[in-house]
Amino acid sequence: SQKIEQNSEALNIQEGKTATLTCNYTNYSPAYLQWYRQDPGRGPVFLLLIRENEKEKRKERLKVTFDTTLKQSLFHITASQPADSATYLCALRTSYSSASKIIFGSGTRLSIRP
Amino acid sequence: GAVVSQHPSWVICKSGTSVKIECRSLDFQATTMFWYRQFPKQSLMLMATSNEGSKATYEQGVEKDKFLINHASLTLSTLTVTSAHPEDSSFYICSARDMGLAGTDTQYFGPGTRLTVL
Repeated sequence: SQKIEQNSEALNIQEGKTATLTCNYTNYSPAYLQWYRQDPGRGPVFLLLIRENEKEKRKERLKVTFDTTLKQSLFHITASQPADSATYLCALRTSYSSASKIIFGSGTRLSIRP
Repeated sequence: GAVVSQHPSWVICKSGTSVKIECRSLDFQATTMFWYRQFPKQSLMLMATSNEGSKATYEQGVEKDKFLINHASLTLSTLTVTSAHPEDSSFYICSARDMGLAGTDTQYFGPGTRLTVL
């Protein structure tokens, strides 16, 4: 069956360290993968998109990698801050077709302690 | 980034009444909008895909007569929960698809609507 899994429900990190979140998928060949941040009681906010032919994307303190052989994406936050505490969702788009959907993982709740 | 608004942000209603939630794309046109619901500590569950000028496509298990979707313009989609019951209480989130550059379309989400049915 098709699955997208974020294998940590929760992650606790000391401020200043790098937080690494994992997203694995099975039985999909995604066109691209996206990462979102969601704060409690709010809608998800788009962070980064990485395509199937890209290995790595960066945006300020954020870095995303995409390994289509391992069927895995890693999301890194360097120099983490308490304000980075939130739930992070990975999502994949199944194809470039306008009819394709975004499938979400269950999310990882990240807590950065001072 | 693109902005999507939702109204109302929260609503409390009595069982049996209907509630309408609006979703607007403020700075782009969206031929496709999506409606999700989210229960506490769970991920987003896609309910339906709303296409401007045509009927919505509902996911398996979602009652189309209960969750009425109208996408009458390129910037507005509405979700009406008809004859709401306590089990319909949830966080409803819409998103709008911004096609942007070729091959890089992204969904932008609204802030969500908290529905509580008494």
